[in-house]
Amino acid sequence: AQSVTQLDSQVPVFEEAPVELRCNYSSSVSVYLFWYVQYPNQGLQLLLKYLSGSTLVKGINGFEAEFNKSQTSFHLRKPSVHISDTAEYFCAVSDLRNNNDMRFGAGTRLTVKP
Amino acid sequence: DTAVSQTPKYLVTQMGNDKSIKCEQNLGHDTMYWYKQDSKKFLKIMFSYNNKELIINETVPNRFSPKSPDKAHLNLHINSLELGDSAVYFCASSQTAYGYTFGSGTRLTVV
Repeated sequence: AQSVTQLDSQVPVFEEAPVELRCNYSSSVSVYLFWYVQYPNQGLQLLLKYLSGSTLVKGINGFEAEFNKSQTSFHLRKPSVHISDTAEYFCAVSDLRNNNDMRFGAGTRLTVKP
Repeated sequence: DTAVSQTPKYLVTQMGNDKSIKCEQNLGHDTMYWYKQDSKKFLKIMFSYNNKELIINETVPNRFSPKSPDKAHLNLHINSLELGDSAVYFCASSQTAYGYTFGSGTRLTVV
């Protein structure tokens, strides 16, 4: 079965600094990849997804991620963060044969400081 | 209109009680899910239903029983609640590869 490892449990950054949240996946088959954001006391919201095609994927709120098949990574980036980006971020993977089984990483807590 | 709605939003109950959480989606999706998020924010899939048919049943106590009366509804019934069941439970739905749409969660506290 597929799995996801988020390499950083917490990432503190200052406002307007760039940020990268790291995600590595493991699967024996081709995959779909996702990033979700969870604001405090809310559900999960889809930030972006990679299904096929261009390996650079742009999402909402200025985030983007790059799919790297050779390194089995799907890191999330933003060139300049805002206080409002403070949230929990989850990387997720599902395999092409069974998109009904999505597995999540343990999450990365992004804290943006003024 | 809320795409995936769960009720109740908060549920406080005593050990040993039986409780249900309801979930409804108005997106026309074929598949619905229940996830459990523990205190460390870890999300674990519990169940997955496709067109009312159970397709994923992860290792959860059999005190947890999902029920899908139709494609738009997936309810979660929990018998004999235990302290360790305290968590946030999320319902979600999906249509093939488009990603999941999550409800806002039900915070269950067992005392």
